[in-house]
Amino acid sequence: DAMVIQNPRYQVTQFGKPVTLSCSQTLNHNVMYWYQQKSSQAPKLLFHYYDKDFNNEADTPDNFQSRRPNTSFCFLDIRSPGLGDAAMYLCATSRDPWTGVRSYNEQFFGPGTRLTVL
Amino acid sequence: DAKTTQPTSMDCAEGRAANLPCNHSTISGNEYVYWYRQIHSQGPQYIIHGLKNNETNEMASLIITEDRKSSTLILPHATLRDTAVYYCIVRPSIYNQGGKLIFGQGTELSVKP
Repeated sequence: DAMVIQNPRYQVTQFGKPVTLSCSQTLNHNVMYWYQQKSSQAPKLLFHYYDKDFNNEADTPDNFQSRRPNTSFCFLDIRSPGLGDAAMYLCATSRDPWTGVRSYNEQFFGPGTRLTVL
Repeated sequence: DAKTTQPTSMDCAEGRAANLPCNHSTISGNEYVYWYRQIHSQGPQYIIHGLKNNETNEMASLIITEDRKSSTLILPHATLRDTAVYYCIVRPSIYNQGGKLIFGQGTELSVKP
């Protein structure tokens, strides 16, 4: 089945130690998103890629970076994790939003990676 | 961005219809109403969306009032597996912020035996 895969499902890192979370997709979607979801809160968009074009949300801290080496993969890098960065990180994909297809902007989410910062 | 207001939590008996309300009084003409749900420890899952007409799919029905200021998501025969947080989202048009999803706090639906 076509899907969005996130590895690992659980990640533990130390305060200040860089960490990378990965996302891959078999849907061949143009757009990939990264969301942060803290405990008991709603998902919050950090940034997204439209093909290779990177779009950062205005309030995303510089500590968060992303790479998309090809259509299938996207990475979230946290350069110096703080205790406040402990959260579930969700990757999502969608088709090209400009195609005009009725469900063009349905987002498909992965299961998430739960990050713990010690 | 149009804001949504949802009850924090609701209960529903298994087998009965679950009706989840959402207010979006500041919605503009080209904004869609989307519903997603998030089962505990999983990623959000798309349910349904609509502009002004009522919509139905294999998961749910969406009823949008004529003035578009509110909507109701209906799960016709709720099961225990429908226990989740349900998010009502007013999505900006593609010409505004690329139509991104902005999640509110959602309604925590508990389906009870």
